[in-house]
Amino acid sequence: KNEVEQSPQNLTAQEGEFITINCSYSVGISALHWLQQHPGGGIVSLFMLSSGKKKHGRLIATINIQEKHSSLHITASHPRDSAVYICAAQYNTDKLIFGTGTRLQVFP
Amino acid sequence: AAGVIQSPRHLIKEKRETATLKCYPIPRHDTVYWYQQGPGQDPQFLISFYEKMQSDKGSIPDRFSAQQFSDYHSELNMSSLELGDSALYFCASSSRGATQYFGPGTRLLVL
Repeated sequence: KNEVEQSPQNLTAQEGEFITINCSYSVGISALHWLQQHPGGGIVSLFMLSSGKKKHGRLIATINIQEKHSSLHITASHPRDSAVYICAAQYNTDKLIFGTGTRLQVFP
Repeated sequence: AAGVIQSPRHLIKEKRETATLKCYPIPRHDTVYWYQQGPGQDPQFLISFYEKMQSDKGSIPDRFSAQQFSDYHSELNMSSLELGDSALYFCASSSRGATQYFGPGTRLLVL
């Protein structure tokens, strides 16, 4: 069983739709990361959260420490948002344990 | 702004050969992390360094070694390469405990 689980694994949406990706982790962490990986492999850090909520443009990330759960929301989705979104848990030594990723495709 | 630099970007080797991957962190970042992402798999943590000392070790084979130098760049040395070592190797850097910034990765193909 992966320590970090994401759902859904695959997600398709029409341009403009509101998108939610969920992440659950099994043990206490120091922070939770949301990452974006495009075809070709490059990884971009979107958010690092230890509590509450963060917003950047059309992206919003929330975390509930008690429930060990985080969500990534994309408002007004666009085809350029198509990518793999990865949730990763950071532990005390700062290493990241990655979730299995959610492959998002947004169609015009 | 300067980002994490990895070299080479692509590498093709044969079985049993050796390979050296290099990572140049963002200036003033003191921590470097190495991750391995096999085809269709999640990235897996290999090893990390803080202030030139190994800070954590993950699923890194004994055939691999790594170090961080005085200028904070890091090298991952891989010997006796196997077909299963074919993967995308990411380096990330951070100031201790802060957001990790990822390099573009080195894609290694072992034939």
